[in-house]
Amino acid sequence: DTAVSQTPKYLVTQMGNDKSIKCEQNLGHDTMYWYKQDSKKFLKIMFSYNNKELIINETVPNRFSPKSPDKAHLNLHINSLELGDSAVYFCASSQDARRTQYFGPGTRLTVL
Amino acid sequence: GESVGLHLPTLSVQEGDNSIINCAYSNSASDYFIWYKQESGKGPQFIIDIRSNMDKRQGQRVTVLLNKTVKHLSLQIAATQPGDSAVYFCAEILNTGKLIFGQGTTLQVKP
Repeated sequence: DTAVSQTPKYLVTQMGNDKSIKCEQNLGHDTMYWYKQDSKKFLKIMFSYNNKELIINETVPNRFSPKSPDKAHLNLHINSLELGDSAVYFCASSQDARRTQYFGPGTRLTVL
Repeated sequence: GESVGLHLPTLSVQEGDNSIINCAYSNSASDYFIWYKQESGKGPQFIIDIRSNMDKRQGQRVTVLLNKTVKHLSLQIAATQPGDSAVYFCAEILNTGKLIFGQGTTLQVKP
């Protein structure tokens, strides 16, 4: 009955590979987000989708491509992984863009 | 510009004491502020929020104070317990809907 879930929890991969992280929310929220948390715990927004439409796209390399098949899912695909992509990635959702955001448990990505 | 900052990276308190975690923000147009708690290996968890038309809001053992004049936000935790040990983030929601996080304060509770 987890509200915001992500898979996988851990992802270890080689440089140059392509990987995806999945996110699902069962809260009935309209807006979903992806955040990156670096080794110093700093959280920065990457993308935001409202009803499957992209509304926020921060300065993120175009190797990162979010995809929202429906408003309950927002997946993150990363091409040509680099060492600097190693971080914890969090998915979040909110009722709308100006309401409290609820976070998933995170996916720790390690690029070797 | 967009920035939210916390005054101290680490705060160490004795169990049972009160904790105060501070935060400064720079965007005077923000009208909604949130405190999150992040335990090791978990995602940020909502604690309490406050709108800019308020200067104080209380929850269970937590109080958030907002001083718009000096753009300062604080989180007070009463009777701090070991389970309160975590990283605490303040965050502001801009009028664009973007959530900006501060850098986080690590709260350590000594038994």
